[in-house]
Amino acid sequence: GAGVSQTPSNKVTEKGKYVELRCDPISGHTALYWYRQSLGQGPEFLIYFQGTGAADDSGLPNDRFFAVRPEGSVSTLKIQRTERGDSAVYLCASSLSEKLASTGELFFGEGSRLTVL
Amino acid sequence: AQSVTQLGSHVSVSEGALVLLRCNYSSSVPPYLFWYVQYPNQGLQLLLKYTSAATLVKGINDFEAEFKKSETSFHLTKPSAHMSDAAEYFCAVSPIFSYSSASKIIFGSGTRLSIRP
Repeated sequence: GAGVSQTPSNKVTEKGKYVELRCDPISGHTALYWYRQSLGQGPEFLIYFQGTGAADDSGLPNDRFFAVRPEGSVSTLKIQRTERGDSAVYLCASSLSEKLASTGELFFGEGSRLTVL
Repeated sequence: AQSVTQLGSHVSVSEGALVLLRCNYSSSVPPYLFWYVQYPNQGLQLLLKYTSAATLVKGINDFEAEFKKSETSFHLTKPSAHMSDAAEYFCAVSPIFSYSSASKIIFGSGTRLSIRP
């Protein structure tokens, strides 16, 4: 696609439920990042992938959060036993390479807004 | 740890007036620095970046920023505000470890820019 695509754009769920958020990066981009943006805050790093492997998952808040990228393209962020504090906009970004990503050449999707009731 | 601090969560200027959005960074060595912009209902976009070349960097839509090591600052300016500049602006930093080392971009909390007619 032309840009980074994230689905769903909006997700409302109940506390304790399981949620999956999908990111389809720009074709050919090897580096993929997940960020979380709470109201009134800047994006907070969660995890990034170089190819299929998670190169840095130090931002995942706890073991309820997990992300995969099995074929080095589409990535899924998975949240188990959701809590109200998980409510936020989850942003995905991709870059042609991790080096370019470190120089700011990150392309962001519009985000998935998660609301946990 | 690397971080950026944006002074002022909300800035309001009149159309045609100077725009100044403040950002200070915390780093033991000069990092890469960025400004991103988020227009309503759109994804984050890179506005400009400093990657240790010229200290005065120019971005899109007549925005520019100056890296000042002595002040650990990277303030964003535009000589004359336009209504279309209304958006959320994020200062960000990428720590430099080595050319082969990947890194993640760390964002500030953002400044919302409003333009008065």
